[in-house]
Amino acid sequence: EVQLVESGGGLVQPGGSLRLSCAASGFTVSSNYMSWVRQAPGKGLEWVSVIYSGGSTYYADSVKGRFTISRHNSKNTLYLQMNSLRAEDTAVYYCARSVGGNQPTSYYYGMDVWGQGTTVTVSS
Amino acid sequence: SYELTQPPSVSVSPGQTARITCSGDALPKQYAYWYQQKPGQAPVLVIYKDSERPSGIPERFSGSSSGTTVTLTISGVQAEDEADYYCQSADSSGTLWVFGGGTKLTVL
Repeated sequence: EVQLVESGGGLVQPGGSLRLSCAASGFTVSSNYMSWVRQAPGKGLEWVSVIYSGGSTYYADSVKGRFTISRHNSKNTLYLQMNSLRAEDTAVYYCARSVGGNQPTSYYYGMDVWGQGTTVTVSS
Repeated sequence: SYELTQPPSVSVSPGQTARITCSGDALPKQYAYWYQQKPGQAPVLVIYKDSERPSGIPERFSGSSSGTTVTLTISGVQAEDEADYYCQSADSSGTLWVFGGGTKLTVL
């Protein structure tokens, strides 16, 4: 069974750091695109970052320079290192197995399997 | 930046057809994905590549595309379909992924 389990969330002070983990089972993280998505309280979904199977990484402007996405192949785990945290980073963070590629006339980028999320609260 | 635009809310009676639109300039060249999210739960993929339905998703869910607009259609809406629905795609470079603002579907 394909499954994603996030961990590492918690309460952190503004300016602090936190590392989220996403343990995968039923598939290989390094062979897939993998994404982080967050949802602030009462708000919509916001894409945060993606790592391609080839290792390329991309970030939303709101987190660029502060967050780093990575993976540990032997642990089959995805990470999100979050530095210089701000109150507006408070959210539920989801990891998601993702897909990407191109077909004759269009490109496709999406998420097909999601974890249950881990909550990050940035507050003093 | 790149944006996808959805209506904030759609309301239908049980058994009717709900249509949720999503507009974005890159959609003619970028496929869209649709997710359903119920309160307190993680999102679930309901449509991929504009109109493909994952296994396990009821046939009443369908998707279509026309120019810069994609549409999620739920035929014969049931009470259990009440949820938030989000479209998602990427910009023309494929390096900026984006969600629409979400549409709250209310079953009257």
